[in-house]
Amino acid sequence: GESVGLHLPTLSVQEGDNSIINCAYSNSASDYFIWYKQESGKGPQFIIDIRSNMDKRQGQRVTVLLNKTVKHLSLQIAATQPGDSAVYFCAENEGLYGQNFVFGPGTRLSVLP
Amino acid sequence: KAGVTQTPRYLIKTRGQQVTLSCSPISGHRSVSWYQQTPGQGLQFLFEYFSETQRNKGNFPGRFSGRQFSNSRSEMNVSTLELGDSALYLCASSLGGHTEAFFGQGTRLTVV
Repeated sequence: GESVGLHLPTLSVQEGDNSIINCAYSNSASDYFIWYKQESGKGPQFIIDIRSNMDKRQGQRVTVLLNKTVKHLSLQIAATQPGDSAVYFCAENEGLYGQNFVFGPGTRLSVLP
Repeated sequence: KAGVTQTPRYLIKTRGQQVTLSCSPISGHRSVSWYQQTPGQGLQFLFEYFSETQRNKGNFPGRFSGRQFSNSRSEMNVSTLELGDSALYLCASSLGGHTEAFFGQGTRLTVV
């Protein structure tokens, strides 16, 4: 299937700063997207989702932006904390019916004290 | 509300053997999806079951199969194990369609 995202980069941010994690997707027909956080030894944890009829959605300290024109997603984390250190994945649902998520390679977020 | 439960957490098998992994979804969730995670390939979709029917399938060989029971619990089977099947196998449950999918902790399979 088509791939989502870039090669796994690492983002280092200072504690308290804002973080922005980017993701490119390739299937213009995808209409549902999720951001996940994965800590070492654990399964991916749901952070926030967005449907294609929206361009922005906010949660607690997180905001997802969707730009369908350039097929780009971003996750913004406000006031980044040490507990935010993890690998972040974007996922697009390619399933016409049901779920068939295509995941990006992920971005490792490192929060510096 | 209990989360997604996968058993066992760890498994070591020998090449050529078969293995069955189990997933209990969140109560009320009828969709269960399976994913394989490896350092080289990342997270890859295997298949999705909804109301005991396979609804979506990824690009994996026929050695990988699954099923879902009437209580929405799902099992995944891998036959004739190969070294390359060593991976973290993750199960996700959801209400189906374009709704949040929640993952379990995964089963770490090592093939020797």
